[in-house]
Amino acid sequence: TQLLEQSPQFLSIQEGENLTVYCNSSSVFSSLQWYRQEPGEGPVLLVTVVTGGEVKKLKRLTFQFGDARKDSSLHITAAQPGDTGLYLCAGAGVNTDKLIFGTGTRLQVFP
Amino acid sequence: DAGITQSPRHKVTETGTPVTLRCHQTENHRYMYWYRQDPGHGLRLIHYSYGVKDTDKGEVSDGYSVSRSKTEDFLLTLESATSSQTSVYFCAISESGPRGTEAFFGQGTRLTVV
Repeated sequence: TQLLEQSPQFLSIQEGENLTVYCNSSSVFSSLQWYRQEPGEGPVLLVTVVTGGEVKKLKRLTFQFGDARKDSSLHITAAQPGDTGLYLCAGAGVNTDKLIFGTGTRLQVFP
Repeated sequence: DAGITQSPRHKVTETGTPVTLRCHQTENHRYMYWYRQDPGHGLRLIHYSYGVKDTDKGEVSDGYSVSRSKTEDFLLTLESATSSQTSVYFCAISESGPRGTEAFFGQGTRLTVV
């Protein structure tokens, strides 16, 4: 069974602070995605990383895929209240069509 | 927005009764997924489909069955609902599978088993 563990589970910070969310597994994934989910809605894709060591930037968000393709991180610079939400990583297995989601990190940014 | 609709959006049912949730898409995407979401667990994969009549189990498939007789519809059935199946259920679609393509989600079905 492929598992994706995220840490921290909860994060409460002030506006302007930086933060990093981690997504770890003992399994190799062919690609990894990050989604954000707001209350009452389904998750929405933020980014997909495919190559080991890949780094992608989306405005104040920086995503990295581990060299061994077993882990990923999401770094937010100067967090804003609009960043509040549930962040989920999701991995595609190497020899499977399953899309496995992580345990989630709930971020609250206070003004 | 991707054309994906879940029905019903809310349902309360009694323990032991059968329940069917429907996911309907208008995007002609090949892949469809059913997840459940519970606090502290993120999204857990129940079943998925990679084509008409082609389905496979996910991580938490016990107590659930699925059917896909048409590209646009993916049904999730709880044969005999239990309180542990109280959850929010999400359907997702993907054009060409999980590797590098975006999954689009429905708005969820909140199921309460009493």
